[in-house]
Amino acid sequence: GNSVTQMEGPVTLSEEAFLTINCTYTATGYPSLFWYVQYPGEGLQLLLKATKADDKGSNKGFEATYRKETTSFHLEKGSVQVSDSAVYFCALTEGGSQGNLIFGKGTKLSVKP
Amino acid sequence: NAGVMQNPRHLVRRRGQEARLRCSPMKGHSHVYWYRQLPEEGLKFMVYLQKENIIDESGMPKERFSAEFPKEGPSILRIQQVVRGDSAAYFCASSLTTSSTYEQYFGPGTRLTVT
Repeated sequence: GNSVTQMEGPVTLSEEAFLTINCTYTATGYPSLFWYVQYPGEGLQLLLKATKADDKGSNKGFEATYRKETTSFHLEKGSVQVSDSAVYFCALTEGGSQGNLIFGKGTKLSVKP
Repeated sequence: NAGVMQNPRHLVRRRGQEARLRCSPMKGHSHVYWYRQLPEEGLKFMVYLQKENIIDESGMPKERFSAEFPKEGPSILRIQQVVRGDSAAYFCASSLTTSSTYEQYFGPGTRLTVT
């Protein structure tokens, strides 16, 4: 079945450090891929998405490229801020008759000043 | 345009009681999903509904859990005879279509605590 595996946290970085959170997936078809962010006590917000191979999603300095050959969608940011501290979830959907999202377990990021 | 609304935000129930969680999708959205987030884990799909229809309930526990999305009013997730293991955050999401290119918008969640 479809699944998402992302690197386990927590990840602790200093402000302005480079961030990478790895995400790989298994899917039978051609999924769309997403990164969601969850701030403490809140719901999930879409951070970025990519709907086909080689697409790059980007938002707020974050970016991720849909790599079909390596079935990966790694999240990167060149210079993190304290306000980026949150839990990040990689997810996929194949849409169609179901449309439900399949999530990774989440990676908690803490950025220290 | 208001986002996805869920209430209550926090719900405390004693073991054996019933819990009712409500979700109002974004205006114009007819597809509703419920997800459960256990502590320190990702979200797990529970059920997908359209107006008056359950489309996919493959993620729902077989007993005590039910969901509906009536023609009028919010979607309801109902948990009967709650147990401590039901303590979790329950999130509702809505979307315009099931196209894989279209995002789901999430509500703030209901945090259920069973004592």
